[in-house]
Amino acid sequence: GDSVTQTEGPVTVSESESLIINCTYSATSIAYPNLFWYVRYPGEGLQLLLKVITAGQKGSSRGFEATYNKETTSFHLQKASVQESDSAVYYCALGPSNYNVLYFGSGTKLTVEP
Amino acid sequence: EAAVTQSPRSKVAVTGGKVTLSCHQTNNHDYMYWYRQDTGHGLRLIHYSYVADSTEKGDIPDGYKASRPSQENFSLILELASLSQTAVYFCAIRDRDTEVFFGKGTRLTVV
Repeated sequence: GDSVTQTEGPVTVSESESLIINCTYSATSIAYPNLFWYVRYPGEGLQLLLKVITAGQKGSSRGFEATYNKETTSFHLQKASVQESDSAVYYCALGPSNYNVLYFGSGTKLTVEP
Repeated sequence: EAAVTQSPRSKVAVTGGKVTLSCHQTNNHDYMYWYRQDTGHGLRLIHYSYVADSTEKGDIPDGYKASRPSQENFSLILELASLSQTAVYFCAIRDRDTEVFFGKGTRLTVV
C-alpha cells in the first residue's frame, strides 16, 4: 500500500547543530507521488514546510532542505544549523492519492536546546 | 491564506455519549478531511468529502460518521464515544492543485 515511515522521536539537538530526520515512502497506487514535509508548532495546526513533486529535485524552506530520491524512496529533511524556534513536530507526507488524500508519517518531535 | 476553524478546541466526553466535532472553512475548497492523530501513529484519515451532501470513508472510519451539509461545514460525529477514541482530531481542506490547509486541532478525551 501507500505509506510513509519516518524517524521515531523524540529528537533533541542543541542549537546550531545539524539535523536530519529520515523519511522513506512506499507509493504503490500513486503514479506520480508528491512528497511533503509539514510542521506543527505548539498550539498550531499543521502547516506546509516544503513540497517536491518531481523526483531528483530538492525543496527548501526556512533553512530546511529535502531531496526527492526515487531510487532509495527517501525524502529526508535536513538543516545545517537548527534554532530553538525550530522546536516542533515534523511530518513527512506522500500524495495525492484519489480525492487528494495525503498519507502521513507518525511525526517526529524535535526539541532544540539552547 | 486558508481559514479552517475547528470547534471545540478541546472536549471531555463520557463513554457512550455522543460527540460532534465541527469544521468550518472560508475558502470554498471542495475537499475536506478529518484526520486523527495518536502518539506513534501520525495522522490517519477517518472520513473525507469532495462535495457538499456527500462523504466518503477513509482508512479508519469505524465508530465515526461524517456530515457535509454545506460547502463550508464538515462535521465528525461519534455516536457512542469510546475510550479508544481519545485523540487529537484535525480537519483539513484542499482544492485542486493547492496545498492542504489544516485547522488547529481538537483534543478529545473520553473518560
